[in-house]
Amino acid sequence: DIQMTQSPSTLSASVGDRVTITCRASQSIISWLAWYQQKPGKAPKRLIYKASSLESGVPSRFSGSGSGTEFTLTISSLQPDDFATYYCQHFDNYSWTFGQGTKVEIK
Amino acid sequence: QITLKESGPVLVKPTETLTLTCTVSGFSLYSARMRVNWIRQAPGKALEWLAQISPNDEKAYSTSLKTRLTISRDTSTSQVFLTMTNMDSVDTGTYYCARAEMASVSFDYWGQGTLVAVSS
Repeated sequence: DIQMTQSPSTLSASVGDRVTITCRASQSIISWLAWYQQKPGKAPKRLIYKASSLESGVPSRFSGSGSGTEFTLTISSLQPDDFATYYCQHFDNYSWTFGQGTKVEIK
Repeated sequence: QITLKESGPVLVKPTETLTLTCTVSGFSLYSARMRVNWIRQAPGKALEWLAQISPNDEKAYSTSLKTRLTISRDTSTSQVFLTMTNMDSVDTGTYYCARAEMASVSFDYWGQGTLVAVSS
């Protein structure tokens, strides 16, 4: 199975900061990667799919990039509503895999 | 409007079998390139994929849990079921059903989740 490793596990940042979260795959996954945002007590919400496609309705400050084994989620200017946990996700060979999550906290 | 809604017991005892129901609306379980999945999350932990059922009734399971899981469906009621045997306290958490859109290979719609506690 392909393993997905996210970093950092926790990130402290201030409103207005540029934030980058990384997801590494144990082998090439081309561009089959998605990113989700999850707030406490809520279901995850898709932000990005196919590594860089922005979900409809998601603010343009969110962007995704990467291919192969290394991917990033960037928030260009962190807003109060963005403090949450973020997960990457991949599908391969009838199996879905999530990263361990990155919690974005208020600095 | 596409919705998924989980239902099931809030509390189960250790060694019991859990049965959860996901009722979907706004799309058909026969929809091409759409699959219904179960995903869980222990308190304070990451998301963990459990099982998937495809339009042709093909099933897939988490390698680590496949001996305990069964996913099935009733297309007449638009429901997908998950049974998990031999429940333990480590299985406590929120269980979600989610629709996978295979064109994007990601989960585009999620249920609200149902919290299951395992305790005697």
